[in-house]
Amino acid sequence: DIQMTQSLSSLSASVGDRVTLTCRASQNIRNFLNWYQQKPGNAPKLLIYAASTLQSGVPSRFSGSGSGTDFTLTISSLQPEDFGTYYCQQCYDSPGTFGQGTRVDI
Amino acid sequence: QITLKESGPTLVKPTQTLTLTCTFSGFSLTTTGVGVGWIRQPPGKALEWLALIFWDDDTRYSPSLRNRITITKDTSKNQVVLTMTNMDPVDTATYFCAHRQQWRTNHHAMDVWGQGTTVTVSS
Repeated sequence: DIQMTQSLSSLSASVGDRVTLTCRASQNIRNFLNWYQQKPGNAPKLLIYAASTLQSGVPSRFSGSGSGTDFTLTISSLQPEDFGTYYCQQCYDSPGTFGQGTRVDI
Repeated sequence: QITLKESGPTLVKPTQTLTLTCTFSGFSLTTTGVGVGWIRQPPGKALEWLALIFWDDDTRYSPSLRNRITITKDTSKNQVVLTMTNMDPVDTATYFCAHRQQWRTNHHAMDVWGQGTTVTVSS
């Protein structure tokens, strides 16, 4: 299996901060990388696919970058509703493994 | 509008077989490129991808659970069923089904999720 590592398990930030989350794949996955946001008690929500393409309806303060093995999700100006846990997922190969998640507290 | 909803028992005993049903609307599982997957999440832990079924009956399984899980579809009922044998307390989790969207670039993601159903394994 391809392993996905999100080295930061949690972070605390303030409204208006620029926040960058990272995700590393155990092998080259080109840009087959998705980002999800999950709030407590809810299902995950797709934010970004193909490493940098914003899913329809997702605010433009979210952006993704990276290819190969290293990826980032950036929130340009953190908003109160952005709290939650963020997961990366590789879709290069089955199984579509997820990272361990990074919890963002505000 | 795509919607999915999971259903099944909330409590199963160790060694029993779990059967979960995902009932969906807003798309057809006969359309080329479409898939439905199952993902689970133990309490306080990360997401774990379990299985996926495609419009053409092709299936994918997590290697670690391949010998315990089966995914099937009933297109006439708009349902996907996940069966997991020999349940253990470590299988206690919220189980989600989700719609797999594939784009022209061949990228894909789980773009619409059900609300999830919580399954507890305990005697």
